[in-house]
Amino acid sequence: EAGVVQSPRYKIIEKKQPVAFWCNPISGHNTLYWYLQNLGQGPELLIRYENEEAVDDSQLPKDRFSAERLKGVDSTLKIQPAELGDSAVYLCASSLGAASTNVLTFGAGSRLTVL
Amino acid sequence: QKEVEQDPGPLSVPEGAIVSLNCTYSNSAFQYFMWYRQYSRKGPELLMYTYSSGNKEDGRFTAQVDKSSKYISLFIRDSQPSDSATYLCAMSAGSGGSNYKLTFGKGTLLTVNP
Repeated sequence: EAGVVQSPRYKIIEKKQPVAFWCNPISGHNTLYWYLQNLGQGPELLIRYENEEAVDDSQLPKDRFSAERLKGVDSTLKIQPAELGDSAVYLCASSLGAASTNVLTFGAGSRLTVL
Repeated sequence: QKEVEQDPGPLSVPEGAIVSLNCTYSNSAFQYFMWYRQYSRKGPELLMYTYSSGNKEDGRFTAQVDKSSKYISLFIRDSQPSDSATYLCAMSAGSGGSNYKLTFGKGTLLTVNP
């Protein structure tokens, strides 16, 4: 099994440019999460999906961040426009379902550098 | 005060040492306690999962939860260089449903020297 797959692994952009990250969760995992991990910090939840529905997006900065999970499988996280403070690792995770919200399988992350 | 406090280290020990990693928390609603291990440039992976107070052992790893003190620990016996990683504590008030989410500590960077 491939695990949670994220791309790109690394992205360098200039401020004010857009960027998008893609995530393919483990097959059969209905719950998908996007986390933000700043250097030296633990992951912080941005958004959580149950199938296609975003059930918790309270921590997503909606002025510049957006996410979608159109068919309840893959997901895309977008930032437009990017700011210097967005430099971080964006982690995607999935879990089996609504009853398994503590048992997460993480991808390797997408490391964003904004210049 | 943050909900979860974890000393970021770094912690450096010789191979074979017993390692103790700790977190404190302030939210008395937390009932589920986890330790995730994160290797450099990788995502976190679940290492230990406990519910409420008590101990849980898995090979060289022992997780302890003391809810009365709001204190959790992870012990690593006979530490190996392959244990070198960042250890993140995480906790939540429940499992399942849209109301529960993990709160992570900052992580402790551990290096085990051969």
